[in-house]
Amino acid sequence: GAVVSQHPSWVICKSGTSVKIECRSLDFQATTMFWYRQFPKQSLMLMATSNEGSKATYEQGVEKDKFLINHASLTLSTLTVTSAHPEDSSFYICSAQGQRGWETQYFGPGTRLLVL
Amino acid sequence: DAKTTQPPSMDCAEGRAANLPCNHSTISGNEYVYWYRQIHSQGPQYIIHGLKNNETNEMASLIITEDRKSSTLILPHATLRDTAVYYCTEVQGAQKLVFGQGTRLTINP
Repeated sequence: GAVVSQHPSWVICKSGTSVKIECRSLDFQATTMFWYRQFPKQSLMLMATSNEGSKATYEQGVEKDKFLINHASLTLSTLTVTSAHPEDSSFYICSAQGQRGWETQYFGPGTRLLVL
Repeated sequence: DAKTTQPPSMDCAEGRAANLPCNHSTISGNEYVYWYRQIHSQGPQYIIHGLKNNETNEMASLIITEDRKSSTLILPHATLRDTAVYYCTEVQGAQKLVFGQGTRLTINP
């Protein structure tokens, strides 16, 4: 299957700082990328959908000014957690979908964020 | 909210077939059934998908009932590495995936 990478795999930061997470589709071009968040012992919750070259669509309850998403190319999307707080500590996972719109979504390995 | 329902947990002996059920009570005609699994602390892994017909690949088989209201994922010879949370979901095209709580499958030696 297709390969999606995330960087970094884990990050620890101080409260009030910003953290950027990268999601890359390594062997295919992704028109659409999705960002999820997962808290311990819970299922994945979709945060936002991003399409290359356009603004992201955020799910209800997700602050767009806090979670900045950029999808500048067909192989890269970034999620920036601005002014991170301890309650933002979570497992962040991206997925990518190919250009034809009906293709399978493939997931990255996830990024574990710990805010102190 | 998730549209599918799954049992919260299942056990299976190593080497035996693991059969994981999923109910799709509100699935629409052009929505595909997708199965993913998530091994602890990793991103979900795609397993298989189908629309109406049964499907098989190197990982698993997918059985979809004729009325499409339920599906079963079959791992023919389960190994310890198949221990994971298994999610079934429904999606059409570029729509978002909605994950329920999934089934925690434990393979016992």
